[in-house]
Amino acid sequence: KQEVTQIPAALSVPEGENLVLNCSFTDSAIYNLQWFRQDPGKGLTSLLLIQSSQREQTSGRLNASLDKSSGRSTLYIAASQPGDSATYLCAVMNTGFQKLVFGTGTRLLVSP
Amino acid sequence: GAGVSQSPRYKVAKRGQDVALRCDPISGHVSLFWYQQALGQGPEFLTYFQNEAQLDKSGLPSDRFFAERPEGSVSTLKIQRTQQEDSAVYLCASSSQGQGYNSPLHFGNGTRLTVT
Repeated sequence: KQEVTQIPAALSVPEGENLVLNCSFTDSAIYNLQWFRQDPGKGLTSLLLIQSSQREQTSGRLNASLDKSSGRSTLYIAASQPGDSATYLCAVMNTGFQKLVFGTGTRLLVSP
Repeated sequence: GAGVSQSPRYKVAKRGQDVALRCDPISGHVSLFWYQQALGQGPEFLTYFQNEAQLDKSGLPSDRFFAERPEGSVSTLKIQRTQQEDSAVYLCASSSQGQGYNSPLHFGNGTRLTVT
């Protein structure tokens, strides 16, 4: 059974810092890995999708990497801003299934 | 709006009542998912539709939960005889393609169900 873990559970940084969020998963037979952002009381917003054959994806100040063999992904946020404050969720889709298995998220607070 | 729409936004039900939660996916999206999110947790998969076919219902916690998508667009999640442990946010998501494709999910804002 696939299990997804995110570390740290919460992170507080001053504006302008670069930061890394970590995600690990137990079953390496994944189809893709996705990073989402969730604001309080809202649904999830898709940030990046990394296919199993890819090593990384970039969008603006965000960069996500994938090491399938070791069961790890990182989300790098450059030059953090207060508007980046949210919960960041990592999710994996196993090969042969359509469902995503989510971690419990990292709650990020960026202070001005 | 072009996003996924869910209604009602909030629902309070007395234990034992039946509830129905509605999801309007993005027009033309083939895949539709329901997830349940408890406070402080990540979403957990409930069920998946490709067009009108329910291809995976392995996440439905009991036979009190039922989902349908009869015409391949709007979906309804029904919970019969609600229990306190059903209190959660129910999220609907859609994607443009079906199985075997890497298409991102678009989520609605969810329905927060509170069972008293």
